[in-house]
Formats: sequence, structure tokens, C-alpha cells
Amino acid sequence: QKEVEQNSGPLSVPEGAIASLNCTYSDRGSQSFFWYRQYSGKSPELIMSIYSNGDKEDGRFTAQLNKASQYVSLLIRDSQPSDSATYLCAVRRDTGRRALTFGSGTRLQVQP
Amino acid sequence: DTAVSQTPKYLVTQMGNDKSIKCEQNLGHDTMYWYKQDSKKFLKIMFSYNNKELIINETVPNRFSPKSPDKAHLNLHINSLELGDSAVYFCASSQRSYDTGELFFGEGSRLTVL
Repeated sequence: QKEVEQNSGPLSVPEGAIASLNCTYSDRGSQSFFWYRQYSGKSPELIMSIYSNGDKEDGRFTAQLNKASQYVSLLIRDSQPSDSATYLCAVRRDTGRRALTFGSGTRLQVQP
Repeated sequence: DTAVSQTPKYLVTQMGNDKSIKCEQNLGHDTMYWYKQDSKKFLKIMFSYNNKELIINETVPNRFSPKSPDKAHLNLHINSLELGDSAVYFCASSQRSYDTGELFFGEGSRLTVL
């Protein structure tokens, strides 16, 4: 079992729709969670972090965390073609080994 | 005024050769990292340095040797290159050693071993 699992996609949504990206993780000791966006041929950039159960909103982005289910998701409202990218989920323990563990990402395509 | 810069961006070389990648950050961050991204897009940490001190050393072959002359620079030297070393290598930095989630990445160095 991979430590961080994501559906590779592509996830295709029409412009203006809500895109829902999901991630599950296996390490119950994970305490911090991050979403990175990576455009094709570019480097990852941090878009959201979430540390406690529930929802966290930032503009069109909402991160959702459920530690009991070991599940974290990213919702993108009013999706735009410029949101087309690969979204990487990453988790981290906050004690001991603090290095991020990344999933392999979900490719999102927003159709104009 | 790129925040994290890596050189070279592309390397194409033969098996058995040695190559180096250089990284510099001008963000004033204390911690720098090397990550490897394979063809399946998995991004995996290799090394982390905090203020020139090695703090994370994942299970990486001895052929890979990082060097940090100061906290703004982190270089990666690879000896005896193998086909499996082909990947994109990303340098990254974070403000503090515990901010390992808030990474600023360089543009990547794509290594192709023939």
C-alpha cells in the first residue's frame, strides 16, 4: 500500500464547475497536510495547508481533512482552464521524521 | 531575482559518468532539500540540510553526495550514473527545519542517463 494515494486521473471538469480531488494516507501519525499544484514541466507550488479536522477555505480553494478516515481533499470552485495542472497531496508527521511524503498527484483538466 | 535557482536545467549524459547540480536560494531560509521526481511523478525527499548541517538522509545510494558550503547553497554530486537515475531533481528551501511542509521549489534539473 502506498503511503499517500491519489487517483492519477485525468479528472476532467467543465469550466465553472467544482473540481474535487481526493487523497488517502496510511500513516495515522500524520498531523499536517498540504496540497501542491504542479503545472506541466514546472515545479510544485504550495496552495493549501490544513492541520485540523474540518474545512479550510482560501479563495476558490477548500481543503477538507478527516483524520479518523485518513482522508484529505481539495475542492476547487468555479474551475478555470488555468487550474489545469497536477495536484499533489503531501502529509507529514510533526514529531520525529518530519519530511513530507507526497502522493503521485491527480491531473486535473478544466475544459473551456 | 529567482528565489530558488538550479543549474543546469537539463543534463544528458552517458552511464558511468559523474555530474553535479547546483542550487542557490536568496530567500534567507535556513533549510534546503533535494527531491527526486520520477517518471510517475512521485516526489521523494533525498536530503535536507539545516544551516549547512545534514538533517535528513533518506535511503539513497552512496553515489549521491550532497554538499552545502553555506545555508544559501546546496549542491548534489552524482557518481557513476545509472539509467535509473534519470529523473527531475528539485531543490527546495523552507524557512526553518520544522517548516518542512512549506517548501519553495527550484525549477528542477532534468537528468537523462543514456
